[in-house]
Amino acid sequence: GAVVSQHPSRVICKSGTSVKIECRSLDFQATTMFWYRQFPKKSLMLMATSNEGSKATYEQGVEKDKFLINHASLTLSTLTVTSAHPEDSSFYICSADPPAGYTDTQYFGPGTRLTVL
Amino acid sequence: QKEVEQNSGPLSVPEGAIASLNCTYSDRGSQSFFWYRQYSGKSPELIMSIYSNGDKEDGRFTAQLNKASQYVSLLIRDSQPSDSATYLCAVNNPGTASKLTFGTGTRLQVTL
Repeated sequence: GAVVSQHPSRVICKSGTSVKIECRSLDFQATTMFWYRQFPKKSLMLMATSNEGSKATYEQGVEKDKFLINHASLTLSTLTVTSAHPEDSSFYICSADPPAGYTDTQYFGPGTRLTVL
Repeated sequence: QKEVEQNSGPLSVPEGAIASLNCTYSDRGSQSFFWYRQYSGKSPELIMSIYSNGDKEDGRFTAQLNKASQYVSLLIRDSQPSDSATYLCAVNNPGTASKLTFGTGTRLQVTL
């Protein structure tokens, strides 16, 4: 079964609105989660590292005020795309980093496809 | 700039043949290497992980690592049409145990 879930799986919104994407770790508590963005036929680009109870660490070039990340619990991280524009249309994927000894790599969520009109 | 390089393909192989996927990385400090398979419109799923020089086999898949050459590969034996997907190579960022850098992926097409 799914280890990491994302909601919604698909969202269409108007330009200028904000969209919240939830990422839940179902099988383990994750102090660290990652948010990626993937454009068509491109690879995954890490946007930020989400740390439970502290501020997210953003990669160079990612606007922290536009992509708000909240990791309020050990099983939930949210990504809010604020004032979305068509160029924000992409496939957003989260992953959860399991505790030491659980497994050797991240578990990915199924992704959220965002379309901004 | 940490980089992971892959040939974007498409790599076309006939059913039953061996598919060979290659990846090079720039950071000599990297210690963990992963191959993910991604079907169109889906998120990546882990195929193989490898940490030591040499070969690691799991079913039809074999990962090969050569740290001196900064090279990691994935062999798929007896390729099946269901193997048609994009294969992403990922390398850990030294000092950040779980943070990964992904290559651009190689699209594999297994033909009948």
